[in-house]
Amino acid sequence: GDSVVQTEGQVLPSEGDSLIVNCSYETTQYPSLFWYVQYPGEGPQLHLKAMKANDKGRNKGFEAMYRKETTSFHLEKDSVQESDSAVYFCALRGEAGGFKTIFGAGTRLFVKA
Amino acid sequence: DAGVIQSPRHEVTEMGQEVTLRCKPISGHDYLFWYRQTMMRGLELLIYFNNNVPIDDSGMPEDRFSAKMPNASFSTLKIQPSEPRDSAVYFCASSPATARANTIYFGEGSWLTVV
Repeated sequence: GDSVVQTEGQVLPSEGDSLIVNCSYETTQYPSLFWYVQYPGEGPQLHLKAMKANDKGRNKGFEAMYRKETTSFHLEKDSVQESDSAVYFCALRGEAGGFKTIFGAGTRLFVKA
Repeated sequence: DAGVIQSPRHEVTEMGQEVTLRCKPISGHDYLFWYRQTMMRGLELLIYFNNNVPIDDSGMPEDRFSAKMPNASFSTLKIQPSEPRDSAVYFCASSPATARANTIYFGEGSWLTVV
């Protein structure tokens, strides 16, 4: 079945550091890819998305490139801020199985001031 | 526009009791999802509906769990009897029609503690 793997459970950069959060996926279909963000006490919400290969999703200085050849969708930012601290989920959604969305385990980002 | 509305926000119950979680999806959305979030297992899809019909319930952990969607604006997730290992945050989410790029919109969650 489809799966999404996030290799880091937690990352602890300092404010101003660059960031890469890894995301790899497995699927037999051609999915859309998403990053969702979850703040304390809230449900996840869409952060950015990409619908096809070589698309780049962007939001609030974050970027992620849909790389079909490496089945990856890594989340990157040049300079993180304390307010970026949250849990980030990589996800895929495709046609098989009725468009259900599969989430990775999540990466907790804690930016030190 | 109102988002996905869940109730209760918090529930503490004793083992063996019945728990009912409620959800009102965003008006006009065709898909409704129930997810469970725990530290150990992350976000798990329990069941989802399309136009009020259950499509995939393979994520429902066991027979103690059941979900219904009697109409387009209401769904319930029931646990009977509840056990301490059911303690988690339960999210309801909804999504508009079948375009694969569509976002799903989560409610704020129901925090369940079974003691």
